[in-house]
Amino acid sequence: DQQVKQNSPSLSVQEGRISILNCDYTNSMFDYFLWYKKYPAEGPTFLISISSIKDKNEDGRFTVFLNKSAKHLSLHIVPSQPGDSAVYFCAASAMNRDDKIIFGKGTRLHILP
Amino acid sequence: DAGVIQSPRHEVTEMGQEVTLRCKPISGHNSLFWYRQTMMRGLELLIYFNNNVPIDDSGMPEDRFSAKMPNASFSTLKIQPSEPRDSAVYFCASSFSGTRNQPQHFGDGTRLSIL
Repeated sequence: DQQVKQNSPSLSVQEGRISILNCDYTNSMFDYFLWYKKYPAEGPTFLISISSIKDKNEDGRFTVFLNKSAKHLSLHIVPSQPGDSAVYFCAASAMNRDDKIIFGKGTRLHILP
Repeated sequence: DAGVIQSPRHEVTEMGQEVTLRCKPISGHNSLFWYRQTMMRGLELLIYFNNNVPIDDSGMPEDRFSAKMPNASFSTLKIQPSEPRDSAVYFCASSFSGTRNQPQHFGDGTRLSIL
């Protein structure tokens, strides 16, 4: 039973355009959400996070939006660059389960020249 | 600063053999996590330790899997006996749990192939 779902296994976006990666969750106890980026043959690296008390968090070209009522979050990358080609994992944690985070299966993003 | 260090990077062995994966967390981190990544199940948590004590091992698939953390700078994940379905990439991650929501830092993984 997947508590964090990334329904798009892959996504292709033209360089310079906006990339939007989506994530849904089922556990209403989740109150902190993270995005990780992974290149081949490397471990995931932390990208950006958002607390459930916010609906938006921005860091340079990366913005995460949270819609608690829909149990949905999205990662926007503007403008998309070739180095953004990677697998992106959505993850979530619950206030009563410190440290433990649940990952989605990931979305592979291809930035096209 | 040195990140999380995992060894070996690749392991190929025959079914039935014992496999030991190793992890050195980032110095000062007091939480350590073992994950397994497969195409079917994505990135799943196997076990995590806090201050060297196992906190949650509910993700460990079978008794063939065991993990230890004898001190703050070393952990092992052992599979005995190994089976072909254990083939996957295994990641170790560490974080500091003194304040909540500290991101986990991952090693580069061990790619395990059981023939």
